[in-house]
Amino acid sequence: DQQVKQNSPSLSVQEGRISILNCDYTNSMFDYFLWYKKYPAEGPTFLISISSIKDKNEDGRFTVFLNKSAKHLSLHIVPSQPGDSAVYFCATINTGNQFYFGTGTSLTVIP
Amino acid sequence: NAGVMQNPRHLVRRRGQEARLRCSPMKGHSHVYWYRQLPEEGLKFMVYLQKENIIDESGMPKERFSAEFPKEGPSILRIQQVVRGDSAAYFCASSPYRTSGSNEQFFGPGTRLTVL
Repeated sequence: DQQVKQNSPSLSVQEGRISILNCDYTNSMFDYFLWYKKYPAEGPTFLISISSIKDKNEDGRFTVFLNKSAKHLSLHIVPSQPGDSAVYFCATINTGNQFYFGTGTSLTVIP
Repeated sequence: NAGVMQNPRHLVRRRGQEARLRCSPMKGHSHVYWYRQLPEEGLKFMVYLQKENIIDESGMPKERFSAEFPKEGPSILRIQQVVRGDSAAYFCASSPYRTSGSNEQFFGPGTRLTVL
């Protein structure tokens, strides 16, 4: 029973263009969302987060958008760089401090 | 200020042997999570522990897998009688108790288990 879904297992984007990674969740009670980035043979590292009281959070080239009515969030990377090539996981946390991760989207930025 | 530590980084076992994976959370973190990443798949939640308590083990296979987080020492993920399908990368993460503000989990580098 997947609480957080990333329906695109992979995405390829040209360098300099925008990368948009999508994530859907099932429970409207979730109120905090995170994106993690993972390189091969390494653990995931935190990238950016957003609270449900906001609909947008920006950090440099990375922006996360939250649409609560649609239970959807997205991560925008602009401009995309080859070093952004990695697997991106979205995650959420419930009031019991339990994390739920999506299955990940593998981003390839083509030079 | 060490991060989450996992050992060993690589573990090779033959079918039927036992695998023990260790995780030391970040200093001050009392919550530990184990995840498994199978080849070509995403990160799958296994178990969530606090000191001496299993909070949520809904992602753990019903047989052969167990986890503990004792009062002293690292968290241990134990796999008995390993099979080839257990070959995967196992990640541990830790977090402090959830408060307002930053709530991310911090991940260790993972243990790559290979079952021959």
